Amino acid sequence: EDQVTQSPEALRLQEGESSSLNCSYTVSGLRGLFWYRQDPGKGPEFLFTLYSAGEEKEKERLKATLTKKESFLHITAPKPEDSATYLCAVQALPGYALNFGKGTSLLVTP
Amino acid sequence: SQTIHQWPATLVQPVGSPLSLECTVEGTSNPNLYWYRQAAGRGLQLLFYSVGIGQISSEVPQNLSASRPQDRQFILSSKKLLLSDSGFYLCAWGAGGPVREQFFGPGTRLTVL
Repeated sequence: EDQVTQSPEALRLQEGESSSLNCSYTVSGLRGLFWYRQDPGKGPEFLFTLYSAGEEKEKERLKATLTKKESFLHITAPKPEDSATYLCAVQALPGYALNFGKGTSLLVTP
Repeated sequence: SQTIHQWPATLVQPVGSPLSLECTVEGTSNPNLYWYRQAAGRGLQLLFYSVGIGQISSEVPQNLSASRPQDRQFILSSKKLLLSDSGFYLCAWGAGGPVREQFFGPGTRLTVL
């Protein structure tokens, strides 16, 4: 059975304190791994798609990387506006569904 | 650009009442459409997806149903709501074909009392 596990469940950082969020996955055949950001009471906002091990994507202070077993979302010099829940999801062969982890709740304090 | 709409934004319904949530997408043709539920303390759970008009696949057996009467319209329904149906319902769309991102709507917060 496909599984996605995110850690830590919650993370508190001071503004400017860089860190990484982890997404471990077990799938029979990976089509893609996706990162989303979700603000309270809103729908998830798409951030990145990663297709194969070794791939990296960047957007502003965020950088996503992928290995054969896990993905990391690195946050460099975070700001309070980066506070949100970050969700990881995998899409496995041969289906269309995204299998989501429970997310990491990030709080960045001034 | 593409946009996705959901309504209502919030809904409070008594147990045993019917349900109809609507989702529409603008700016794209023949999208794949999805209904997810997000319950407190749990990840997003896929309920239904559709790759075309009248084509519905169910991921989780339950008292909910879905329909796609038009290319860019997706409806989630129930004849009789249960307390366990409470949650945050999200509609998403994606382009057809393999490995495509899904883009989510604003969601509907459903509370069943």
